[in-house]
Amino acid sequence: EVQLVESGGDLVQPGGSLRLSCAASGFTFSSYAMSWVRQAPGKGLEWVSATSGHGVSTYYADSVKGRFTISRDNSKNTLYLQMNSLRAEDTAVYYCAKGGMSGKGFDPWGQGTLVTVSS
Amino acid sequence: DIQMTQSPSSLSASVGDRVTITCRASQGIRNDLGWYQQKPGKAPKRLIYDASSLQNGVPSRFSGSGSGTEFTLTISSLQPEDFATYYCLQHNSFPLTFGGGTKVEIK
Repeated sequence: EVQLVESGGDLVQPGGSLRLSCAASGFTFSSYAMSWVRQAPGKGLEWVSATSGHGVSTYYADSVKGRFTISRDNSKNTLYLQMNSLRAEDTAVYYCAKGGMSGKGFDPWGQGTLVTVSS
Repeated sequence: DIQMTQSPSSLSASVGDRVTITCRASQGIRNDLGWYQQKPGKAPKRLIYDASSLQNGVPSRFSGSGSGTEFTLTISSLQPEDFATYYCLQHNSFPLTFGGGTKVEIK
């Protein structure tokens, strides 16, 4: 069974940094693109970033470009999102999801981790 | 960027009703579209991929259609467990974009 488990969400001050992790199991992690999607409280879904199976290709939403970095460690079956210069508008539940490149959508999704940016 | 316009934003329906939700893309996306269901406090779950293919394990009352710029999700006979928010997602080109969501509520 494919499982994705996010961690690392926390309360952080504006301008601060945080690193999210997503531990994957149940599939050959290095063979699949992975993505991050977020959802602000009471709002819709927003795609954040995607990376190819080997991590060579990466893509970002304009709203996070230059501040967030997606990466992966295929030896640990783990996806990361390094978030710097955090703003109040980055407050959201962050989901990792399998897929997001090569014309594929997201399936499945992790349970999400909450990031709150507030002083 | 490709904009996804989803309608309606909310609807009230009764158990047994037929429900239709529409997504329009601002430019052609072939059939690179999926439909997702989200219940409160839970992660989204994919129902339909490639515009019309039913995800394994999803009840056959869900169906998708369309290609190019116009897409539809249909629930043929609404069940109590179907009350949720539904989103479309285009994965044709970056940035990937979601529709604004449709909240399906009990009448």
